[in-house]
This record gives sequence, structure tokens and C-alpha cells, in this order.
Amino acid sequence: GAVVSQHPSWVICKSGTSVKIECRSLDFQATTMFWYRQFPKQSLMLMATSNEGSKATYEQGVEKDKFLINHASLTLSTLTVTSAHPEDSSFYICSARDRGGGNQPQHFGDGTRLSIL
Amino acid sequence: DAKTTQPTSMDCAEGRAANLPCNHSTISGNEYVYWYRQIHSQGPQYIIHGLKNNETNEMASLIITEDRKSSTLILPHATLRDTAVYYCIVRVYNQGGKLIFGQGTELSVKP
Repeated sequence: GAVVSQHPSWVICKSGTSVKIECRSLDFQATTMFWYRQFPKQSLMLMATSNEGSKATYEQGVEKDKFLINHASLTLSTLTVTSAHPEDSSFYICSARDRGGGNQPQHFGDGTRLSIL
Repeated sequence: DAKTTQPTSMDCAEGRAANLPCNHSTISGNEYVYWYRQIHSQGPQYIIHGLKNNETNEMASLIITEDRKSSTLILPHATLRDTAVYYCIVRVYNQGGKLIFGQGTELSVKP
């Protein structure tokens, strides 16, 4: 089945550090990838839609200068949390949909647990 | 966005069928229903999706009512490993395929 790989699985950083998270589709090409954030005991919240070769589309209330998204190829999207602070600590999850589109489902990575000290 | 309503939690005995309901009364004619589940500290796992016909795969069955206002996910023989949060999502047509997650149903399978 379709596999999405996310790296790193978890990261602990000092406040003020920028952190990059990678999301790769391993066995399919994805023109569109999605980034979610999940706080403890809450549901996933969509942050942005990442489009290959163009700018990401951010959901309302998500700071685009804080969460930089780059989707440079059909198999890789990155999320950079810039100048991270403790309130950015969360579980970040990406997903990807096969470029074939239509009603094909999204497939999710296993998430990145980010802890800012 | 077509919203979904699911019970907050459900219990199921191991080996029995787990029937998880979902209401999506505002669904439009070309919007699909997707089911995912999330086991603690992992990314969501795709289960099944459908438009108007009932669907079955190796994981589950999806029953969609004729008026499409509700659906039921059926795990035919629940195991302890099926304990998870189950999300029913209506994917909005023509919005790039994005999924908006609700609160889901926390299913506990008990021995």
C-alpha cells in the first residue's frame, strides 16, 4: 500500500531554534501534501496544503511566516517551524495523495513529536 | 463544509462486530465519505471510503444509507488492536482533497 514517511519521528530543541520536518511519499508521486498539527487529546487540525512547485495554501489563523512549507518535488514536502517556542510543541503529521487525484485517499505519515524547551 | 457527527466513545467486546455510526446530513451529491483511525501516538490510518454504494475491503465494511445522510463503519470481528479513535470525514469537493477532522469516536475493544 501507499507509504508516507516522516522524519524525524521526534525532536527536542531549545527555544528560538528552527526545526525542519520532512514528509516523503515513498511509492507514489504526490502533487499535493497536507500538514496537520495535533495537541494532546485533541483532533488533527489542518495547517496547510502543500502544492508541488507552487506556494502552500494556509488555513485561517496559521502563520505562514512561522510555518514555512516547501514542496520542491513530487515526493517531498518540508515544514520548517521557525524560531520555535514552547507553545509550538505539538505532534505534526503530514499526508499525501497520489497525483492521480480523483477520490483516492490521503495517506498519512507517522508524525513528528516536537518538544521545545 | 459537510460536517459529521459521531459518538464520543464506544465499547466493543473482542471478537464481536463493532458498528460505528456517523451522521453527515449536509453531505452533497459528489462528496465522498472517508474513514480513518488513529492509534495512540501514530498517524491516521486509512480504512475505507465510499460515495453511495456499500463498500468492503480487508479491514472493514462501509454501509451508506440511501439518502447518504449517514453511514456505518463495521469491523466484523474486533480485536484488541482495533482500539483507536475512528474518524468519519466528508471530503469537500473541489478543495484540493483536504480532509477536515472532527473529534471522532474512541473505540475501546475489551477482552
